[in-house]
Amino acid sequence: QQQVKQSPQSLIVQKGGISIINCAYENTAFDYFPWYQQFPGKGPALLIAIRPDVSEKKEGRFTISFNKSAKQFSLHIMDSQPGDSATYFCAAGTGTASKLTFGTGTRLQVTL
Amino acid sequence: NAGVTQTPKFRVLKTGQSMTLLCAQDMNHEYMYWYRQDPGMGLRLIHYSVGEGTTAKGEVPDGYNVSRLKKQNFLLGLESAAPSQTSVYFCASRSAGGRHTQYFGPGTRLTVL
Repeated sequence: QQQVKQSPQSLIVQKGGISIINCAYENTAFDYFPWYQQFPGKGPALLIAIRPDVSEKKEGRFTISFNKSAKQFSLHIMDSQPGDSATYFCAAGTGTASKLTFGTGTRLQVTL
Repeated sequence: NAGVTQTPKFRVLKTGQSMTLLCAQDMNHEYMYWYRQDPGMGLRLIHYSVGEGTTAKGEVPDGYNVSRLKKQNFLLGLESAAPSQTSVYFCASRSAGGRHTQYFGPGTRLTVL
């Protein structure tokens, strides 16, 4: 049972464009929603995270939008750059052990 | 400060062989995790630990065992490797404090023939 659904599987965006990746979750007990960025041959690294008491969080060119009623959240990358080309994973967590359930990932390619 | 390290980086096994993957962290983190990453399936939690001497099952624990004898180390064992265990394995750790950030190691690529 996949508790976090992520789309699209892959995305090609021109330099300077906006990249949008969407995730939907089922478990209403989730209380922490991070996005991880992974470059080829590396481990994932935290990019940005949000809690369900806010609807939006922005850090530089990266923004998370959160819709609690729809159980959806999305990552927006403004002014996308070739260096943003990576795989992005959304995740959702709950509990004291902060177990994370990951989406299946989106491979982003930013072209010149 | 090396963060999270994993040993080995690559390994090829034959079906039925056993091996142990080592994860070490130097951040004094309480929690440690083992994930496997497969194409199109994201990261799936195998086992995790909330402190020295404790372990718990994750989403896909079958065929794996773990031990956390020392706070800084988390070992993942495969007793009898199967081709279905061909994957990239990631270890992660996090502090017990307010922030929930998990810090990942560089991964171990395992192939089972």
